[in-house]
Amino acid sequence: QVQLVQSGAEVKKPGASVKVSCKASGYTFTSYHIHWVRQAPGQGLEWMGIINPSGGSTSHAQKFQGRVTVTRDTSTSTVYMELSSLTSEDTAVYYCARLLPPNVYWGQGTLVTVSS
Amino acid sequence: EIVLTQSPGTLSLSPGERATLSCRATQSVTNNYLAWYQQKPGQAPRLLIYGASNRATGIPDRFSGSGSGTDFTLTISRLEPEDFAVYFCQHHGNSPCTFGQGTKLEIK
Repeated sequence: QVQLVQSGAEVKKPGASVKVSCKASGYTFTSYHIHWVRQAPGQGLEWMGIINPSGGSTSHAQKFQGRVTVTRDTSTSTVYMELSSLTSEDTAVYYCARLLPPNVYWGQGTLVTVSS
Repeated sequence: EIVLTQSPGTLSLSPGERATLSCRATQSVTNNYLAWYQQKPGQAPRLLIYGASNRATGIPDRFSGSGSGTDFTLTISRLEPEDFAVYFCQHHGNSPCTFGQGTKLEIK
């Protein structure tokens, strides 16, 4: 079965960077784009970016331009999302997801807490 | 970028009642690529509707989606206790794949 398994919770200081991983299994890794979506505590869903695992091309929300880097490793079927220059407003649960309907899959989420 | 605005922000209803949630886009949604998700606390969102009106696998038929262009609606015909949650619409066409801000459906 399709699974997206994310790395564990992180605590970071303001100004630091965080790198979250998302390991895919149960399907052909290069056949589906992977999205990153985040959700701050008590808030809505915020789309961050997308990667095509086949060629590695990416696209990001304008809000995150220059601060987010999404990469992939086809040898391990893993996608990475790195967010730099963290502030307290980046405290959120970060999800990777395959968002192409009708078969949508989400990772379990990774809580990133930014605190001094 | 397509901005999606959901209304109302909170909807208070009783089990057995009908719920109507709205999602309005700032420009026409390509091919009506509009999805609806349900999210409960501590869980990832669950896909309910895609392509504006297609129910996802395993979704009860009390959930239905309608609309086209810039105006879309999610209807829950008779609310069950498990339906009280937060609902998001999403544009699932070309990136950026934006989300609405959500409608909280709460028990009256």
